[in-house]
Amino acid sequence: ELKVEQNPLFLSMQEGKNYTIYCNYSTTSDRLYWYRQDPGKSLESLFVLLSNGAVKQEGRLMASLDTKARLSTLHITAAVHDLSATYFCAVDSGNTGNQFYFGTGTSLTVIP
Amino acid sequence: NAGVTQTPKFQVLKTGQSMTLQCAQDMNHEYMSWYRQDPGMGLRLIHYSVGAGITDQGEVPNGYNVSRSTTEDFPLRLLSAAPSQTSVYFCASSYSGQGWETQYFGPGTRLLVL
Repeated sequence: ELKVEQNPLFLSMQEGKNYTIYCNYSTTSDRLYWYRQDPGKSLESLFVLLSNGAVKQEGRLMASLDTKARLSTLHITAAVHDLSATYFCAVDSGNTGNQFYFGTGTSLTVIP
Repeated sequence: NAGVTQTPKFQVLKTGQSMTLQCAQDMNHEYMSWYRQDPGMGLRLIHYSVGAGITDQGEVPNGYNVSRSTTEDFPLRLLSAAPSQTSVYFCASSYSGQGWETQYFGPGTRLLVL
């Protein structure tokens, strides 16, 4: 069974600080996705990482993928309150269509 | 485009009742899927479809049925609801489901089974 582990599960950080969320997975896959979810809302796609060494950046968020280590990171630079949300990583293990396995999520709170 | 739509937004069922959660997309996506989200467990794949007439099981399919008669619609049926099916259900779609693209999620259906 494919397992996807995120840590930390909860993260409280001050505005202006940097931090990294980690996503480890248990199977070989070169397809990893990051999503954001605001309370009571749906999931919004952030990044699609499709190869070893892939790096994507959008604003204060940067995601990377190391398929050999089965690790993806989501780095937050100079956090602002608007980044407060839950962040999920998902690994696609499907051969005949997407079969996403999600991590448990990291609940991020940015404190002024 | 409306994107991915789901109805109803909220539903309360009694144990043993049946119901259908509706999902539709207007993006001409071939791939559609259903997930459930439970506290502390992320999202888990229930069923998915790679095109009209083709469905397959995901990680947690027991207690749920699906069918895909059109490209646009992918309903999820609960045959005999149980309290363990209390959850938030999300439908998602992508153009081909071949792995290089993200999925677009609907707004969700909150289901409470008493």
